[in-house]
Amino acid sequence: DAKTTQPPSMDCAEGRAANLPCNHSTISGNEYVYWYRQIHSQGPQYIIHGLKNNETNEMASLIITEDRKSSTLILPHATLRDTAVYYCIVRVENAGNNRKLIWGLGTSLAVNP
Amino acid sequence: GAGVSQTPSNKVTEKGKYVELRCDPISGHTALYWYRQSLGQGPEFLIYFQGTGAADDSGLPNDRFFAVRPEGSVSTLKIQRTERGDSAVYLCASSDIAGGRETQYFGPGTRLLVL
Repeated sequence: DAKTTQPPSMDCAEGRAANLPCNHSTISGNEYVYWYRQIHSQGPQYIIHGLKNNETNEMASLIITEDRKSSTLILPHATLRDTAVYYCIVRVENAGNNRKLIWGLGTSLAVNP
Repeated sequence: GAGVSQTPSNKVTEKGKYVELRCDPISGHTALYWYRQSLGQGPEFLIYFQGTGAADDSGLPNDRFFAVRPEGSVSTLKIQRTERGDSAVYLCASSDIAGGRETQYFGPGTRLLVL
């Protein structure tokens, strides 16, 4: 079962910041939060991930709340090419140190001109 | 450099047939994953290889599904006696595990249609 919940869809104006929320209230202490996006008919593309500190890279910023029960992905200046489904994912690790990504349904982001 | 590649990109088969789907991971990546994605859903984990061995196959839906990675690089997902419900996009990902900072890189997927 997915460990994350996201709004099914969001809109954003081109050039503005897109803030995508995610709830992961059952996350465990050693489980990372990952964000991927998927443009229609393509494989998922890695964006960013983090454990408890905020992270930033050339694509986006990830803000994780102090209690780690939610996070926000920020695309600072959305472009039309950012239109995609954005997945917030928890990476789980079992006793044998085997890791896997548990995906939900994602947020379909539409960037409008 | 070259990313993860998957072949074929599309596969149409008839119910009851056998299919093989191939994944070429990023060179040097020791971990390889298979996922299945149905329309409107997120990817669903199938199996994970660390090197040549299947470290976690808990996501394989039944014994018609099998995957191998004999030399620790290329992997093949095999589906016997295909059913219409097997129709989906099959995604492969690879990673070079570096502690907690693992990043999985995905291929474009193989779209399987079982008629």
